[in-house]
Amino acid sequence: DVKVTQSSRYLVKRTGEKVFLECVQDMDHENMFWYRQDPGLGLRLIYFSYDVKMKEKGDIPEGYSVSREKKERFSLILESASTNQTSMYLCASSSDREQYFGPGTRLTVT
Amino acid sequence: KQEVTQIPAALSVPEGENLVLNCSFTDSAIYNLQWFRQDPGKGLTSLLLIQSSQREQTSGRLNASLDKSSGRSTLYIAASQPGDSATYLCAVYMDSNYQLIWGAGTKLIIKP
Repeated sequence: DVKVTQSSRYLVKRTGEKVFLECVQDMDHENMFWYRQDPGLGLRLIYFSYDVKMKEKGDIPEGYSVSREKKERFSLILESASTNQTSMYLCASSSDREQYFGPGTRLTVT
Repeated sequence: KQEVTQIPAALSVPEGENLVLNCSFTDSAIYNLQWFRQDPGKGLTSLLLIQSSQREQTSGRLNASLDKSSGRSTLYIAASQPGDSATYLCAVYMDSNYQLIWGAGTKLIIKP
């Protein structure tokens, strides 16, 4: 069965902290994605990766970076968290253009 | 630029009714279309994937159709149940890249 896991369901961080969100998939998929979801704005793509150590900016990369050192793991990094990064973060993976999602991380920055 | 629209934004129906959710897209050069379900505060669950060469896909009480030439897909839910209450999103993959283009979703409420 397809499985995408995210390191935390809920996370509370302070402004200025460095935040790591981890995503792991067990399907040997080449492509992995990070989205954020906000009421009224829908799903917006932050970054995606199509191979190990490869990354591409999505629609809203500002304030974020990513790391993909191993095929199964894709990390989203908030270098200095700000209150406008409070959101639901969703990770997904895909092989031939069918995406599978993790359970999401609700991040609150205070 | 591809745009995906879902109408209505919200729908409330009594339990037991059959219903149709709509998804339209402006550029017919799609690779496939995927329907998802999202429960409040949760991640997305893939319901059905239709390849561009297919007309429909079925899974249990769900049937998704695709009319690529007219830029439309529908998700048909038979004999709706309160457990079907969720937000339903459609998204398309273009031929040209590996990014999904998302609709804004339809929030469905099934009243017992």
